[in-house]
Amino acid sequence: DIVMSQSPLSLPVTPGEPASISCRSSQSLLYSNGHNYLDWYLQKPGQSPQLLIYLGSNRASGVPDRFSGSGSGTDFTLEISRVETDDVGVYYCIQALQTPYTFGQGTKLEIK
Amino acid sequence: QEQLVESGGGVVQPGRSLRLSCAASGFPFSVYGMHWVRQAPGKGLEWVAVTSSDGSIKKYVDSVKGRFTISRDNSKNTLYLQMNSLRPEDTAVYYCAKASRLIFGVPSGMDIWGQGTTVTVSS
Repeated sequence: DIVMSQSPLSLPVTPGEPASISCRSSQSLLYSNGHNYLDWYLQKPGQSPQLLIYLGSNRASGVPDRFSGSGSGTDFTLEISRVETDDVGVYYCIQALQTPYTFGQGTKLEIK
Repeated sequence: QEQLVESGGGVVQPGRSLRLSCAASGFPFSVYGMHWVRQAPGKGLEWVAVTSSDGSIKKYVDSVKGRFTISRDNSKNTLYLQMNSLRPEDTAVYYCAKASRLIFGVPSGMDIWGQGTTVTVSS
């Protein structure tokens, strides 16, 4: 199984400041079609997860351009250019290349 | 508006069975693969199972193989998860999610999620 590791696990951020979350996989997520099968989700308190970024760097519909995804192979990053209070919650990466699909442990973003 | 609504959760004793349902609306259900994902209390997300659009392909996480069965009825726009031989460690909120793409012919990615249904396995 592909193991996913996120860091940090806790991320206190001041509103207006940037934030960055790292996600690493135990195997390359780069497929022969050139896409990285790595997605990012945000689970706000008391809600279901919502898709933020798919295939490594593509913002999902309705996601503000403050959010961006980058990386390739085994190392990926989610960046928020200017954190807002509405961004609090737990961020998860998931490898979507092969079953069993596996999530990272989650990164809890909180406002300072 | 694309929507998924789970139901069927509850409190059940260890070793018993439960069937979850997920009603889909707002999109052509029969075209898309579907997932089940769970979240134990205070824990992270765990992918459980996926089925292809026609139900011919089914994949499971090892911890539920032989006990859980994913299925679908495209005439009713409904996804199911039959859970047998339930264990306390199966206690979780169970979400269904719509797959967004295919990889190696298997549905992948989750772009729409339901609100979840809670399963508690306890004596």
